[in-house]
Amino acid sequence: QQQVKQSPQSLIVQKGGISIINCAYENTAFDYFPWYQQFPGKGPALLIAIRPDVSEKKEGRFTISFNKSAKQFSLHIMDSQPGDSATYFCAASNTQAGGTSYGKLTFGQGTILTVHP
Amino acid sequence: GAVVSQHPSWVICKSGTSVKIECRSLDFQATTMFWYRQFPKQSLMLMATSNEGSKATYEQGVEKDKFLINHASLTLSTLTVTSAHPEDSSFYICSATRGGRETQYFGPGTRLLVL
Repeated sequence: QQQVKQSPQSLIVQKGGISIINCAYENTAFDYFPWYQQFPGKGPALLIAIRPDVSEKKEGRFTISFNKSAKQFSLHIMDSQPGDSATYFCAASNTQAGGTSYGKLTFGQGTILTVHP
Repeated sequence: GAVVSQHPSWVICKSGTSVKIECRSLDFQATTMFWYRQFPKQSLMLMATSNEGSKATYEQGVEKDKFLINHASLTLSTLTVTSAHPEDSSFYICSATRGGRETQYFGPGTRLLVL
């Protein structure tokens, strides 16, 4: 029930195209959904995050779409650039959890995005 | 703001030795710090959660006597890999949150190679 399933495992898009990465979760107590971007040999960096009270959040070329009833959320990267080539992780947490579960993030398996010039 | 640093960025050690990795929050006080390990082309695996001044909480399957975590101040947590073996070779990453907020800020990671 703690899993977050991410797809696809890898994705190749052309420069200027739209990259779409999907995640599904089971735990209905999750109420915070961040996306992280990770370049090789670096730590993950927060890209954008959403709470379930909104269905969409946009920051620049990055948009999260959230479907609470389907327990799914996705990352859309508009006008994809070669510099966006990285591994993307979705994650989820229950911010109301107490004790040892407080603040824990459950990560998806990751998507390796390659944007061709 | 919200910068997390790690030191060293990479380390090579001999089997049987101990290695200490530092994680610092540079511009905020970190109430909670997390330690992860990541194998090539895999996701992040949470090892333990630490709160300042209290014992770390380890995830199932993580040996607390092998991976010693100390969170002595609001800006510093350390992970010591004791009696390291080649199978401990991995990418170790810390993260920190501030003041009860949900966002985790990650450090740049430490690459450990045990020969």
